[in-house]
Amino acid sequence: AQSVTQPDIHITVSEGASLELRCNYSYGATPYLFWYVQSPGQGLQLLLKYFSGDTLVQGIKGFEAEFKRSQSSFNLRKPSVHWSDAAEYFCAVGARSNDYKLSFGAGTTVTVRA
Amino acid sequence: DVKVTQSSRYLVKRTGEKVFLECVQDMDHENMFWYRQDPGLGLRLIYFSYDVKMKEKGDIPEGYSVSREKKERFSLILESASTNQTSMYLCASSSSGSPNEKLFFGSGTQLSVL
Repeated sequence: AQSVTQPDIHITVSEGASLELRCNYSYGATPYLFWYVQSPGQGLQLLLKYFSGDTLVQGIKGFEAEFKRSQSSFNLRKPSVHWSDAAEYFCAVGARSNDYKLSFGAGTTVTVRA
Repeated sequence: DVKVTQSSRYLVKRTGEKVFLECVQDMDHENMFWYRQDPGLGLRLIYFSYDVKMKEKGDIPEGYSVSREKKERFSLILESASTNQTSMYLCASSSSGSPNEKLFFGSGTQLSVL
């Protein structure tokens, strides 16, 4: 079965600073990986996804993520954080063998200070 | 703009009541999902449906049932609500079982069972 671990429950970052959110997955074959963002009072919105090919994936809102098979990781990054990036971020993994149903991590809450 | 609409933003029910959570999507999506979101646990899949009148159990179906009589509507039913079902419930839809399709989420229903 697939699973996802997000080691950081909460991260505080200054506006304009860089941000990196960690995600580790567990799955035997090549997984399908996603990052979603949930702003306060909102549903989840897809930031980016990885299925195959280039291991560096670009998403919306200036985010990118890098798939590293050797480390079973799919970390999310943003070079310069804006106050509007304060939200909860979820990493998710899907697999063909599981009908592509997604397993979500516990989430990382990002606070942006002025 | 595409939309997944959940009928209630907040709901308060008493233990033992039968509870209906409604979800409607206007994107003609085949797939619909119900998740519950709890702090520290992320999103967990309750039930999903790949077509009208079809349903499949997710990871935590106990205490829940679903109904999908029309393509655009997917209802989650708590037959006899219990306090441990107090949670945020999120509905989502997607256009196929392929991982190439992203999930579209509603804004959620915060259910409190007293």
